[in-house]
Amino acid sequence: QVQLVQSGAEVKTPGASVKVSCKTSGLSFNVYNIHWVRQAPGQGLVWMGWINPNTGATHYAFKFLGRVSMTRDTSIQSIYLELSGLRSDDTGVYFCSRGTDYGDFDHWGQGTLVNVSS
Amino acid sequence: QSILTQPPSVSGAPGQNVTISCTGHTSNIGANYAVHWYRQFPGTAPKLLIYGNTNRPSGVPDRFSGSKSGTSASLTITGLQADDEADFYCQSYDSSLSGWVFGGGTKLTVL
Repeated sequence: QVQLVQSGAEVKTPGASVKVSCKTSGLSFNVYNIHWVRQAPGQGLVWMGWINPNTGATHYAFKFLGRVSMTRDTSIQSIYLELSGLRSDDTGVYFCSRGTDYGDFDHWGQGTLVNVSS
Repeated sequence: QSILTQPPSVSGAPGQNVTISCTGHTSNIGANYAVHWYRQFPGTAPKLLIYGNTNRPSGVPDRFSGSKSGTSASLTITGLQADDEADFYCQSYDSSLSGWVFGGGTKLTVL
């Protein structure tokens, strides 16, 4: 059974950094890219980038370049998203998801709420 | 403003059919990249509904179907049920952005 379990909610002040984890199981960890998607309150989905768990290769959306970092720990099949220089408009729910060969995202984590507020 | 354009809302009575459109560009849908659809209930993660333009994952009822033509795609839901109310998103890959893009989402209301 494929599972992606994310870390709990975070409250951060502007300018700080946040690191969100996504622990995977049952999904052939090294085979598929893991993507991160953000959803601001009441808004739509925004793709942030992907990481290849096998090689550690990453590709980030232009919008987040310079502020985002995706890493992995293969020993515990976990993926991490770090976002720095937080602003109030970074507030939202961050989802990890597994990408497939078709380009869809077939399994999702439950989401992690990040609240950026002074 | 999203790269893929969806109507903000659609509605229909129980038993009726509704179609949600997703309009893209020559750099995404029109470049023959596959379109995928997700359904999201409030407070939960999106769930894959249609992949590769027309395919349903295991467990998705055949009331849900997808199509694609040119630079657009559509999701059709037949025989609307009250618990179909949710937000629906289309997704594709965009070559000019070198990344994945989503539509702005469509809220389905069952009257």
